[in-house]
Amino acid sequence: QKEVEQNSGPLSVPEGAIASLNCTYSDRGSQSFFWYRQYSGKSPELIMSIYSNGDKEDGRFTAQLNKASQYVSLLIRDSQPSDSATYLCAVRPLSGNTPLVFGKGTRLSVIA
Amino acid sequence: DAGVIQSPRHEVTEMGQEVTLRCKPISGHDYLFWYRQTMMRGLELLIYFNNNVPIDDSGMPEDRFSAKMPNASFSTLKIQPSEPRDSAVYFCASSQGKGGYTFGSGTRLTVV
Repeated sequence: QKEVEQNSGPLSVPEGAIASLNCTYSDRGSQSFFWYRQYSGKSPELIMSIYSNGDKEDGRFTAQLNKASQYVSLLIRDSQPSDSATYLCAVRPLSGNTPLVFGKGTRLSVIA
Repeated sequence: DAGVIQSPRHEVTEMGQEVTLRCKPISGHDYLFWYRQTMMRGLELLIYFNNNVPIDDSGMPEDRFSAKMPNASFSTLKIQPSEPRDSAVYFCASSQGKGGYTFGSGTRLTVV
């Protein structure tokens, strides 16, 4: 059974701080990794993808991947109240186009 | 593009009734996915299609659930008969190749 684990939270951070969201996965052969943001009552929205070890930056967001440790994280710099949402980690377990497996998400609350 | 379009947005039905959820994927996307989301279980993959062909329906919970994709621009998920435990948000998503998924706005189903 392919698993993606996330701390459910809530993770509370003050406005302007760095929010760090973590995700571990069970399938060592996983090839691609995605972060989705889901506001309450809305659908998941893709915000970051990462495919190789290291960091990938996009504006205030940085995704970090460590395949040896089977660990992927999302950093949000200068957190804003509008970042308050649930963040879902998704992993493609095998090479090819097998479906994504989603974690249950971490709820982030940015306090003004 | 208008994105992935789902209908209806909300559905309230009585136990035992048939429910049909509809989805129009993004034009040109060759994969279509049906997910169900609950607080307890998160996002669960029910079934997915590639080029209108069902590839894996192992996530469909029971024979009461069925899905079709008669052409590249339309898919349905049917529940017959519906039960209260089917109450959830049902998402349709589409993708092209190995990229991330684009989700529709979802259908919130309540079975009373």
